[in-house]
Amino acid sequence: ETGVTQTPRHLVMGMTNKKSLKCEQHLGHNAMYWYKQSAKKPLELMFVYNFKEQTENNSVPSRFSPECPNSSHLFLHLHTLQPEDSALYLCASSLKTSYEQYFGPGTRLTVT
Amino acid sequence: GDSVTQMEGPVTLSEEAFLTINCTYTATGYPSLFWYVQYPGEGLQLLLKATKADDKGSNKGFEATYRKETTSFHLEKGSVQVSDSAVYFCALTLPQGGSEKLVFGKGTKLTVNP
Repeated sequence: ETGVTQTPRHLVMGMTNKKSLKCEQHLGHNAMYWYKQSAKKPLELMFVYNFKEQTENNSVPSRFSPECPNSSHLFLHLHTLQPEDSALYLCASSLKTSYEQYFGPGTRLTVT
Repeated sequence: GDSVTQMEGPVTLSEEAFLTINCTYTATGYPSLFWYVQYPGEGLQLLLKATKADDKGSNKGFEATYRKETTSFHLEKGSVQVSDSAVYFCALTLPQGGSEKLVFGKGTKLTVNP
């Protein structure tokens, strides 16, 4: 596979569940990102990892927990979510010194 | 802070019409500017970019020119197709602590009718 992949593509979970979103990039990039895209709201940057180190947490609630075990993989662990967390979660990657970010197709999350 | 403002949508055009989506920005320093496109059910794709004043980015018939004097980066296409129906995002980036941070506009939904 090439580019940025995300799994699952769709996820429905209850408020008491624990689930994880996975992102993988095959581009040799060193920076990875999580974004949240909600209806009628701007794209929101959640987390930034650079060389596996978290460099930004954009005031994200602790019920979202990111993990970056290596430069190619990024996870978003979810627990005790709220219905307002329902959104499209997008992963992206970029070279450290490059300005372009490459996005995955996203995971459509529904919290019931 | 740094921000991007793009025209409110939705925009509805007939096939072969001329398209303009306005984008203006506020930034300290010298940002790079981008247009991303999101087709239905997909993630964002980089459409074009410009990294300095007077640069013109172009791709798939779309163009945008980096205008420092008007802090603008308007997207244009001379003749749209049904397949151009998507949401278009204007964005800027400024280096921050070694990792680039993209700032997005709210997006403009384009619908092209046959």
